[in-house]
Amino acid sequence: ETGVTQTPRHLVMGMTNKKSLKCEQHLGHNAMYWYKQSAKKPLELMFVYSLEERVENNSVPSRFSPECPNSSHLFLHLHTLQPEDSALYLCASSQEVRGYEQYFGPGTRLTVT
Amino acid sequence: QKEVEQNSGPLSVPEGAIASLNCTYSDRGSQSFFWYRQYSGKSPELIMSIYSNGDKEDGRFTAQLNKASQYVSLLIRDSQPSDSATYLCAVNPDSGTYKYIFGTGTRLKVLA
Repeated sequence: ETGVTQTPRHLVMGMTNKKSLKCEQHLGHNAMYWYKQSAKKPLELMFVYSLEERVENNSVPSRFSPECPNSSHLFLHLHTLQPEDSALYLCASSQEVRGYEQYFGPGTRLTVT
Repeated sequence: QKEVEQNSGPLSVPEGAIASLNCTYSDRGSQSFFWYRQYSGKSPELIMSIYSNGDKEDGRFTAQLNKASQYVSLLIRDSQPSDSATYLCAVNPDSGTYKYIFGTGTRLKVLA
């Protein structure tokens, strides 16, 4: 595997379900990010981790819970989501936080029914 | 005021022409600027970064930065139909946060 990978690529879940999104980066980077991309909106930064420490939490509802067990892996735990949470969720990594190029994974297309 | 602004397009150019994409930003202290290409249904792909005033060239792509006027642009020479995509401008403000601020993107259509 190379670059940034994400699983699953597609996810349909009910409002009462609990699921997790997984991201893995094979670039040796120290920073990882979660973004949400909705139609006709700019990418919204959700969380930023630097060396497994969360350094930015961009006013995200508590039904989204991130986890970064090491600098290569990032999870987004989902529970009791709303239909408006349906979007493309993108993981990215960069060498360090602040000012470095970000590399994105393929994304998880989430549909909440 | 939007922090990063781009014309949503579509910008239509004939094959072989130069496509010019523009982006303005509001944080005067911003230091890092990035251009991404996003095909429909795919994730953003980094084209290039620019950190200093002036031009930076990479193949058919040239990024231009003017910090005094707070704009950054991307020129695509010899445009190809495969360049048809949405181009996202991103800025890392120098405001003590770790945020990367993205514009809504400009949709480019290269006509064969």
